[in-house]
Amino acid sequence: AQKVTQAQTEISVVEKEDVTLDCVYETRDTTYYLFWYKQPPSGELVFLIRRNSFDEQNEISGRYSWNFQKSTSSFNFTITASQVVDSAVYFCALSEGKRGANSKLTFGKGITLSVRP
Amino acid sequence: EAGVTQFPSHSVIEKGQTVTLRCDPISGHDNLYWYRRVMGKEIKFLLHFVKESKQDESGMPNNRFLAERTGGTYSTLKVQPAELEDSGVYFCASSLGLSGGKQETQYFGPGTRLLVL
Repeated sequence: AQKVTQAQTEISVVEKEDVTLDCVYETRDTTYYLFWYKQPPSGELVFLIRRNSFDEQNEISGRYSWNFQKSTSSFNFTITASQVVDSAVYFCALSEGKRGANSKLTFGKGITLSVRP
Repeated sequence: EAGVTQFPSHSVIEKGQTVTLRCDPISGHDNLYWYRRVMGKEIKFLLHFVKESKQDESGMPNNRFLAERTGGTYSTLKVQPAELEDSGVYFCASSLGLSGGKQETQYFGPGTRLLVL
């Protein structure tokens, strides 16, 4: 069975601090996909990134960066120079890939990030 | 382009009543998913439509839940009769359906907050 663990439940930082959100996953599949979503106070889930299991290159998008390490089954998310607008719940998710296209996502419990001015 | 929309945004009903949630996916998306988040827990998969067919309904909790997607466009999720434990946020997501063996990104709606009293 697949599992996603987000051990941190709540993180509070002061604006401009860097913060890393941890995600550890379990799967027996050799092909799988990992995602991060952001849920701001308005409630919708906003897609941030998708990675497949064969692409271990780290990715940077502005202040956001992601560190994918298969050896430790982790897909951590770092926000550099955090801003108040980054305050949200962040979800890590995993999908299997063996069936080919499109399968359900398995989510972690989410991490509530509060960025204080 | 309009995103995934869900109606209603909130619903408060009494135990034993019926509630119907609606989801309009992104235009042209063949894949439609329903997920649910019960307070403090993970977002959990309910079911997956490909066009009008149920591809995977392994997450449906019991036969009080009925999902339909007539014509392969919008979908409804009916809970009848509702129980206290059905309270939570119901999310709908859609993805394009180009297949090609790759997991596509699922785009989520804002959710329907259901409270059963």
